Amino acid sequence: DTAVSQTPKYLVTQMGNDKSIKCEQNLGHDTMYWYKQDSKKFLKIMFSYNNKELIINETVPNRFSPKSPDKAHLNLHINSLELGDSAVYFCASSQDRATQETQYFGPGTRLLVL
Amino acid sequence: KQEVTQIPAALSVPEGENLVLNCSFTDSAIYNLQWFRQDPGKGLTSLLLIQSSQREQTSGRLNASLDKSSGRSTLYIAASQPGDSATYLCAVNTGNQFYFGTGTSLTVIP
Repeated sequence: DTAVSQTPKYLVTQMGNDKSIKCEQNLGHDTMYWYKQDSKKFLKIMFSYNNKELIINETVPNRFSPKSPDKAHLNLHINSLELGDSAVYFCASSQDRATQETQYFGPGTRLLVL
Repeated sequence: KQEVTQIPAALSVPEGENLVLNCSFTDSAIYNLQWFRQDPGKGLTSLLLIQSSQREQTSGRLNASLDKSSGRSTLYIAASQPGDSATYLCAVNTGNQFYFGTGTSLTVIP
C-alpha cells in the first residue's frame, strides 16, 4: 500500500527525446510536488500543484510541464531532453501547500540522458 | 529568497555517541521546518515536523529544536546506531515553497 509511487524507477534516454514520469498518491492529498535532486544531492522544488493553482519555480525551463489528469496523479513531461536534465526526480504530496502535516515522498526516478 | 544551509556536510561517529546536526535558514517567515532522512538510492522519509510556533519536537531518540528568530534548527540524535547512517535533510516551508538544505551525510561506525 505505497503512499506515493513513481514510474519508471530508472529512465535512460537519448538527448532530444521527449519523456514522461508518472506519479500517483493514494493518500487523498490535495497538493503534489515535483523535485529535482542533482548530482550534489541538492533537492530543489520544481512545481507545486493542487486543483486550484500551479506554482512554478522560475528557474525551471519551460521544456518541463506538469500534467494532472486527476487529484491523485501529477505527471512530469519533459521535452527535448538535455544532458543537464540527468538527475533524480522526486514526486511528493501533502494535504495542502501551507500544511501542518508532512510531505510524503515517492522513491524517485533516476533519469540519465545520454 | 530563502536559503537553507546544513553543517556539517558529512559526519562520522562511533556507535553510541550522541550527535547534533545543524540547519540554518535566512528568512524567519516560515510555516514549519521538517527533518528528513534519505537512504542511498531511496526517497525521503519524514522524521520530525516543527511548526513555527513550536520550540522542539521529539520522536524516540530524535529531538529537533527550532529557533525561528535566529534562523536555526538542530537535530539531536541520542545513542547513535549504525542504522542511523543516512543523509539528513532539513526543509523550510514558506507557505508557497519548500526549501531544502544540502544535507548532512552521517556515518555511524559499529
